[in-house]
Amino acid sequence: SQELEQSPQSLIVQEGKNLTINCTSSKTLYGLYWYKQKYGEGLIFLMMLQKGGEEKSHEKITAKLDEKKQQSSLHITASQPSHAGIYLCGAKTRNNAGNMLTFGGGTRLMVKP
Amino acid sequence: DADVTQTPRNRITKTGKRIMLECSQTKGHDRMYWYRQDPGLGLRLIYYSFDVKDINKGEISDGYSVSRQAQAKFSLSLESAIPNQTALYFCATSDIGTVPGELFFGEGSRLTVL
Repeated sequence: SQELEQSPQSLIVQEGKNLTINCTSSKTLYGLYWYKQKYGEGLIFLMMLQKGGEEKSHEKITAKLDEKKQQSSLHITASQPSHAGIYLCGAKTRNNAGNMLTFGGGTRLMVKP
Repeated sequence: DADVTQTPRNRITKTGKRIMLECSQTKGHDRMYWYRQDPGLGLRLIYYSFDVKDINKGEISDGYSVSRQAQAKFSLSLESAIPNQTALYFCATSDIGTVPGELFFGEGSRLTVL
C-alpha cells in the first residue's frame, strides 16, 4: 500500500458545490503540502501545513492538518470550473530529507458548469 | 517563458532505444529533481541533485541515469527504454531559501515506449 493515500481518487461536482479531498499518511507527518496539476501541465504549489491543527486558506481553498490522525483535508467552497484538475498531497515523512516529498496518488476533480 | 523547461514535451520511442530528457531552469536553484507520474501512483522520485557535484538515487532509480551538467541543467537518461517506463516525467527545482517542500515543476515530458 502507498505511504500517502488520497480519497477520493476522482470526483465530479456541480459548479457551486463544496467538496473535500482527504490525504492520509501511514507515517508521521513532518510537513504536508498540497499541489494542483492542470491537465497536461506541471504542478503548482498551493500551501504547506506543518503543525497539528493548522489551517490555511488560498482564495476558496482551505486545507487543514490533523497531526494525530496523520491526515490532511482540502476543502473547496463554491467550486468553479477553474478548480478542475488533479490535486496531489505531498509529505515529508521520517525517511525524507531536504525538500524531497512523497506524493499521494492524486484526486482528479471535474467541475460541471 | 517557463522557469523550468523540459524537452522534449512528448516522445514516442521503441523498446531498447536510448532516450534523454532534458531539464533547464532559470530560477537559480541549487536543487533539482526528476519524478515520474503514473496514473493512480502519484509522483515517484527517480533521482535528485542538491548541487552540481551531488547526485542521489530516489526510490525508483533502476533503469535510469542522470547528469547534472551545470547548476541550471539536469538530464535524465533511459539507456535502454522498456514499455513500463512509459510515463509522464517531471523535473522540479527547489532552493534552501524557498518554502520548505515547495517544488517548482516543469510542464512534464510524456514518454511512450512501444
